[in-house]
Amino acid sequence: GEDVEQSLFLSVREGDSSVINCTYTDSSSTYLYWYKQEPGAGLQLLTYIFSNMDMKQDQRLTVLLNKKDKHLSLRIADTQTGDSAIYFCAESLTGGGNKLTFGTGTQLKVEL
Amino acid sequence: GAVVSQHPSRVICKSGTSVKIECRSLDFQATTMFWYRQFPKQSLMLMATSNEGSKATYEQGVEKDKFLINHASLTLSTLTVTSAHPEDSSFYICSASDRANTEAFFGQGTRLTVV
Repeated sequence: GEDVEQSLFLSVREGDSSVINCTYTDSSSTYLYWYKQEPGAGLQLLTYIFSNMDMKQDQRLTVLLNKKDKHLSLRIADTQTGDSAIYFCAESLTGGGNKLTFGTGTQLKVEL
Repeated sequence: GAVVSQHPSRVICKSGTSVKIECRSLDFQATTMFWYRQFPKQSLMLMATSNEGSKATYEQGVEKDKFLINHASLTLSTLTVTSAHPEDSSFYICSASDRANTEAFFGQGTRLTVV
């Protein structure tokens, strides 16, 4: 079955870069996503990458995909206090509008 | 982006009663809606997939008679937790995708507390 793992917690100083990692087991995953969840709220899609890509950059966000190692990372440049949240990676076999399997979530804490 | 509205955001109910949660797509037609459950400090677990006009598909281990899902229109799906018990207390989140199926848009979530 599908299994998506993340480290539970990351603490960084404001202005530094944050790197959140994710590993998955299903090699047939076609789409990989990063979501942000603030306390008591739903999920906000941050970015996504197709499995045939190695990297995608979107303003302060950079996604790296190592398909061989089934490893996905999200880098947030110039991390701000407003970035404090839980970040979930997710995978889908058939596209974002379909069933998503979520990772365990990484709580990012940004300190002054 | 598209908006999905979930209501109520918080609900407290007595053990043994039923609670209905609504999920509405406000500016698009949602052919498919998903219901997730999230325990504190844990990930989202898919409960069921609902397609407009047909029966929901439940994930393994989810009791369909306890968690009733209705997707009667292209803009509304409801989840009813029947005969709720304290162990049903959780954060329930819906998501909806349009016909293009490019992205799932999430509701704000419902915090259910059963006392």
